[in-house]
Amino acid sequence: EPEVTQTPSHQVTQMGQEVILRCVPISNHLYFYWYRQILGQKVEFLVSFYNNEISEKSEIFDDQFSVERPDGSNFTLKIRSTKLEDSAMYFCASSLGLNNEQFFGPGTRLTVL
Amino acid sequence: AQSVTQLDSQVPVFEEAPVELRCNYSSSVSVYLFWYVQYPNQGLQLLLKYLSGSTLVKGINGFEAEFNKSQTSFHLRKPSVHISDTAEYFCAVSATTDKLIFGTGTRLQVFP
Repeated sequence: EPEVTQTPSHQVTQMGQEVILRCVPISNHLYFYWYRQILGQKVEFLVSFYNNEISEKSEIFDDQFSVERPDGSNFTLKIRSTKLEDSAMYFCASSLGLNNEQFFGPGTRLTVL
Repeated sequence: AQSVTQLDSQVPVFEEAPVELRCNYSSSVSVYLFWYVQYPNQGLQLLLKYLSGSTLVKGINGFEAEFNKSQTSFHLRKPSVHISDTAEYFCAVSATTDKLIFGTGTRLQVFP
């Protein structure tokens, strides 16, 4: 069964460093998403991506964040200068179309020291 | 704007007992409703969804949920739980766009 994969499973970084979280969505899906979950809090929407551009982003998704689909298979989330408060579990998701089921990856746990 | 409230952060239950996980939402427009489950060290998996039509929705693993527009609720139920149902359950809504807005989750702990 096709699934969304994410790497790495756990990333530890120093404050101020850049990190790139990687996702491989399901191959025929067209819509891509990033969500995050700070420990003990709810899962929050960050950004949606369709047709090689951002279709919607939340207030959390400021200039420190960017997304890219560099090669037609990977979907990346970059945080340019990490802050302590960026520590969270980051989930990638993909779907075939609007209001179709979003399939989630297992997440990347980001720890900023 | 939409919001989701899951009142119970933890629900302990014995195996083979029925369970209900509560979810209430707030929205000024029509919404789509979802329940996701997260097993340890795994991603979120869709249990069931309500888009339109019958208000009683059946999902995987014997779960079902009922959409109640007047009470703005979408409670998840299972008549008889198994140990393997131990997991975190998230209620979510989406409205005019497809971004999902999640509740804080309910941890279901099933005891033998």
